[in-house]
Amino acid sequence: QVHLVQSGPEVKKPGASVKVSCKASGYIFSNYDINWVRQAAGQGPEWVGWMNPNSGDTGYAEKFQGRVTITRNTSINTAYIELSNLRSDDTAVYYCTRVSTYDALTDYWGQGTLVTVSA
Amino acid sequence: EIVLTQSPGTLSLSPGERATLSCRASQSVRNYLAWFQQKPGQAPRLVIYGTSRRAPGIPDRFSGSGSGTDFALTISRLDPEDFAVYYCQQYGTSPLYNFGQGTKLEIK
Repeated sequence: QVHLVQSGPEVKKPGASVKVSCKASGYIFSNYDINWVRQAAGQGPEWVGWMNPNSGDTGYAEKFQGRVTITRNTSINTAYIELSNLRSDDTAVYYCTRVSTYDALTDYWGQGTLVTVSA
Repeated sequence: EIVLTQSPGTLSLSPGERATLSCRASQSVRNYLAWFQQKPGQAPRLVIYGTSRRAPGIPDRFSGSGSGTDFALTISRLDPEDFAVYYCQQYGTSPLYNFGQGTKLEIK
């Protein structure tokens, strides 16, 4: 079965960077896109960016341009998101999701990684 | 940018009752509309995709309907495990992954 297993919680100071990993199993990693979505407490999910693991192509939501980088290591079926210049309003649970390259349907989610930004 | 508006914000019902949740898009999303269920402390789980298709393992008391800009998720007879927050999401149109703000389905 499909699993997306993310790295553990992080606590960072404002201005720092954070890198979260997402290890995929149970399917062919290069056959599906990976999206990163975040959710602040009490809020709906917010799309951050996507990556095609096969080509390495990426795309980011406009509000995160310049601060976010999504990468992958295909040899270990793992995707990463790095967010720099952290602010307190970046505090949220960050999820990786599996997305169909055919119609962009999100069908599986990782368990989430809480990133807390606090002085 | 396509904006998804869900209503009501909170729906209070009793087990065994019928629930109808609404999602309205600011412009047509064709049938690229999905619904997710999220329980406290858990990741969202796909319930409905393609407007009306149930995801694997989802009970047949869940159904989706609509087209273009107006969509609904109906739960025919609420089970205690159905009380959660539900989000609609449009996919297939750039920006591809907008979500609604959610409807909280709570026990009355």
